[in-house]
Amino acid sequence: QKEVEQNSGPLSVPEGAIASLNCTYSDRGSQSFFWYRQYSGKSPELIMFIYSNGDKEDGRFTAQLNKASQYVSLLIRDSQPSDSATYLCAVRGGSNYKLTFGKGTLLTVNP
Amino acid sequence: SQTIHQWPATLVQPVGSPLSLECTVEGTSNPNLYWYRQAAGRGLQLLFYSVGIGQISSEVPQNLSASRPQDRQFILSSKKLLLSDSGFYLCAWEVAGDTQYFGPGTRLTVL
Repeated sequence: QKEVEQNSGPLSVPEGAIASLNCTYSDRGSQSFFWYRQYSGKSPELIMFIYSNGDKEDGRFTAQLNKASQYVSLLIRDSQPSDSATYLCAVRGGSNYKLTFGKGTLLTVNP
Repeated sequence: SQTIHQWPATLVQPVGSPLSLECTVEGTSNPNLYWYRQAAGRGLQLLFYSVGIGQISSEVPQNLSASRPQDRQFILSSKKLLLSDSGFYLCAWEVAGDTQYFGPGTRLTVL
């Protein structure tokens, strides 16, 4: 069974710090990887996707993928209180329409 | 641009009552459509997905059913609700194999 594991947290960082969110997956055939942010009571919204090994940067966010280690991470630079949310990691297999989601990591950014 | 709608936004229903939740997508054709449930403190559970009109795949045996009567319409139904059906129901769409986008969700409370 395909699994996606995340530390449930809460992860607490001070404002302005770097938040590091981690995710591991079990299916070696996974091809695409997504990070979603979910505010309390709201639906998930896409932050980033990454397909290739290495880093992908978008503003304050950097996604990192290491397929050999089956590991994907999200770095948030200059964390803001508005970044406080649950972050969901999602993985899609090579020939599968479906996304497998982790249970999410709760991030709290303290002013 | 693409837009996804869900209604109602919130719903309180007694045990044993029927259910109908609707999801519609605008601005795209032949999307893959998904129904997820997120119970309190738990991850996203895929319930159904559809790759075309009348094509429904069920992920979890339960008292729920789904239908896709039109290309951009996805309906989640139940004949008799259970207490365990309470949760946050999310509809999502994607162009096959691409990024998945979520609707605003329906919060269902079964009493």
